[in-house]
Amino acid sequence: DGGITQSPKYLFRKEGQNVTLSCEQNLNHDAMYWYRQDPGQGLRLIYYSHIVNDFQKGDIAEGYSVSREKKESFPLTVTSAQKNPTAFYLCASSQGVPYNSPLHFGNGTRLTVT
Amino acid sequence: AQTVTQSQPEMSVQEAETVTLSCTYDTSESDYYLFWYKQPPSRQMILVIRQEAYKQQNATENRFSVNFQKAAKSFSLKISDSQLGDAAMYFCAWGAQKLVFGQGTRLTINP
Repeated sequence: DGGITQSPKYLFRKEGQNVTLSCEQNLNHDAMYWYRQDPGQGLRLIYYSHIVNDFQKGDIAEGYSVSREKKESFPLTVTSAQKNPTAFYLCASSQGVPYNSPLHFGNGTRLTVT
Repeated sequence: AQTVTQSQPEMSVQEAETVTLSCTYDTSESDYYLFWYKQPPSRQMILVIRQEAYKQQNATENRFSVNFQKAAKSFSLKISDSQLGDAAMYFCAWGAQKLVFGQGTRLTINP
């Protein structure tokens, strides 16, 4: 079955370390997205990519970096510059932009930094 | 910048009854889509319903329907015959080049 795989489900890191969250999709979707979800808040867009080798900052990109070297992969690195990295991270993809194509989401990664 | 506001942090309804979740948004664009997503305790995001802004007819998916008022920038979700499995966080979202989400409404179903 096609879908989006995020790994790992739970991730623990020490403060000051960079950490990379994996997101892989086999839906042949062009666009991919990273969202952050904090308790009591909605999803906030970190980065998005509409085509390979191109990506744009979302609303809260500071302290994060991404790459899009392959269509099916969009890893997110949480750097030590991110002041409050503990959160639930969701990756999503869509056939086109959300304008006419709904997002398909992965199951998320819960990152805890102590 | 586009914003989406859900003014009801929590809602509850008796099983089999009807509940309406509110959503307002702010945008200067004329072409866009609106969505309702459901997030159960598993935290998987599930698309419930979507509405094209250029369509006046309200979208319907089985027990789920929307009341789309474009001039008022309002997009409410009505759930009829509520079921225990409807308990979840519900997010309203506005979409054009990217998707902007509201803060969510936690829906509880009372048996």
